This record gives sequence, C-alpha cells and structure tokens, in this order.
Amino acid sequence: AQSVTQLGSHVSVSEGALVLLRCNYSSSVPPYLFWYVQYPNQGLQLLLKYTTGATLVKGINGFEAEFKKSETSFHLTKPSAHMSDAAEYFCAVTAYSGAGSYQLTFGKGTKLSVIP
Amino acid sequence: DADVTQTPRNRITKTGKRIMLECSQTKGHDRMYWYRQDPGLGLRLIYYSFDVKDINKGEISDGYSVSRQAQAKFSLSLESAIPNQTALYFCATSDAGLPFETQYFGPGTRLLVL
Repeated sequence: AQSVTQLGSHVSVSEGALVLLRCNYSSSVPPYLFWYVQYPNQGLQLLLKYTTGATLVKGINGFEAEFKKSETSFHLTKPSAHMSDAAEYFCAVTAYSGAGSYQLTFGKGTKLSVIP
Repeated sequence: DADVTQTPRNRITKTGKRIMLECSQTKGHDRMYWYRQDPGLGLRLIYYSFDVKDINKGEISDGYSVSRQAQAKFSLSLESAIPNQTALYFCATSDAGLPFETQYFGPGTRLLVL
C-alpha cells in the first residue's frame, strides 16, 4: 500500500522568505507525484507533477519540486513567498496497483500562512 | 463559465434522507472522480469512472453510490445520509494519459447531515 506524509499541518513564512513544504511517500512501485494548491473556498488546482524524466519539475507561480527517489521525497519550494501564496497545499501520489488499476493517495495537507 | 460545475454548492439534510450531488463538465474528459475532504484528513477518493461504462470504487465507497449518465455527468448519491458524511465533496475530471494525472476540480459541495 502506498502512503503520503506531509510534515507540518501549518507552516508560516515571512513575505519574501523561502517556502519549503515537505512531502514523503511510500510506494512499492515507481510513483507519479503531484502537488495541488487549494485557495480558500475553491477546489484544488494542479501546481506541478512528476511522472518521468527530469527529477526537478517546475510549476506555476514560481513553485518547483524535486523527486528524490533515495529519500522518497517530493518537497515543494519557492524562493520568495508572496502574500498570494497563502493557501493549503496537498501532495499526492499515484502508482500502478496491478490488474490494470491505479491507486491515488493524497496527503493531509499543509496550510501555508505568509506574514507581511 | 466554469469547466467543472457542482450542484448544489451547499446542502443541509437530515439523517436517513437520500441525497444526490451532481457534477457536470465541459472539458470533454472521459475520466471523472468524486472525493470528500475532511479537515485534517486531506482528500479521499470515493468513486471514479474512466469512461461512461466504467465505475470503480475508491478508498471510501461504503455508504455512497454513483451514476455516470453521460461523458459529461457524474452523480454521487448518499442513499441514507448519516452525520459522519458531513464533509466537503469535490468532483474532478482528467483527460487521457496516466490515471489521476492532472485533475481539474469543481468548486465543491458543502454537505451537512443533521
């Protein structure tokens, strides 16, 4: 069975500071990894994804994440936080579970606050 | 107009009542999904459908049923609602490619079961 762990349910950063949101996963097969963002009172929106190829992936709004197989991590970063980045962020993993099926698991989310 | 719409946006119902949540999409995607979101638990997959004739149970399907009426419509039913089904429900769609890849979410339906 696969799982996703997001370290820290709440993270606060100052405007202009580095944003680092942590995601670790477990999967017995090669995973596909995603970060979604949820702004207040809205649905989720894809930030970025890793499927194959380059392990450093860039997404929207200046975010990027690096797939590190040896560390089973897919941490999300942004060099300089903006007030508009305040939202909840979800890491998700999907992997082939056999018999033509895929399993999808979301992390519990990290709420990012940006302090002026 | 929004690509993925959900109706109703808010609903209050009583224990034991049957309720249907509807999802429509104009993205032309074959794949559709239903999730529930609970504070501190993230999103959990209830059901998913990869085409009109395909329905699959997700992580937490007990107490729920679905109907894929057309490519554009995917409904979620609670046959006999109970209070622990109080949650925020999201519908999502995705195009061909990896299953679950790049999902587009609706705005959500907030359900309260009394």
